Amino acid sequence: DTEVTQTPKHLVMGMTNKKSLKCEQHMGHRAMYWYKQKAKKPPELMFVYSYEKLSINESVPSRFSPECPNSSLLNLHLHALQPEDSALYLCASSQGGLTSEETQYFGPGTRLLVL
Amino acid sequence: AQKVTQAQTEISVVEKEDVTLDCVYETRDTTYYLFWYKQPPSGELVFLIRRNSFDEQNEISGRYSWNFQKSTSSFNFTITASQVVDSAVYFCALSEAYNSGGSNYKLTFGKGTLLTVNP
Repeated sequence: DTEVTQTPKHLVMGMTNKKSLKCEQHMGHRAMYWYKQKAKKPPELMFVYSYEKLSINESVPSRFSPECPNSSLLNLHLHALQPEDSALYLCASSQGGLTSEETQYFGPGTRLLVL
Repeated sequence: AQKVTQAQTEISVVEKEDVTLDCVYETRDTTYYLFWYKQPPSGELVFLIRRNSFDEQNEISGRYSWNFQKSTSSFNFTITASQVVDSAVYFCALSEAYNSGGSNYKLTFGKGTLLTVNP
């Protein structure tokens, strides 16, 4: 069983809506990640938080806004999305130092459809 | 730049066959880590194994085995006596420094291999 949970599992939203994706981990990890994955492609890194600070931002459009309220929670706020933003959004966590040997553990993902 | 190549886009086998998924990587680092993940149709990436560049011993876990060959920069994954539940996309990944000379690392994924095991 995964120890990284994500809600909701599925989300359908219009281009003018505001919604949020939520991720929670119970492994005591201090790094959390957001990935975007299109069909038949590998995951693409969006953001990384380490010790509640944004450490990596892969030049993601501002309509995606991450938030890390504490070390076990990670949110992704969505606003004015485009249909091409439809994808599987995966959350992951790791120990925290963003070192070479850290293993990332993934949640089940949120399937987002933008109409 | 680092790169991970999974040349097999799709593989289809019949249950109980053995199957090997190939992974070839490029890196200039002397110390590095390689990973395999499984992604079933449900979507979650399931961690399977992590291997460091110093340890060239093959690893076996039940029906799964991994062959790490530093000389050929390969980290291949074999499933013995495949089962329908093994049907998934399998990703090989390499830890890569986020910025040149930096201390933060991220995963560079291969494009994945879709394995279909037919009954």
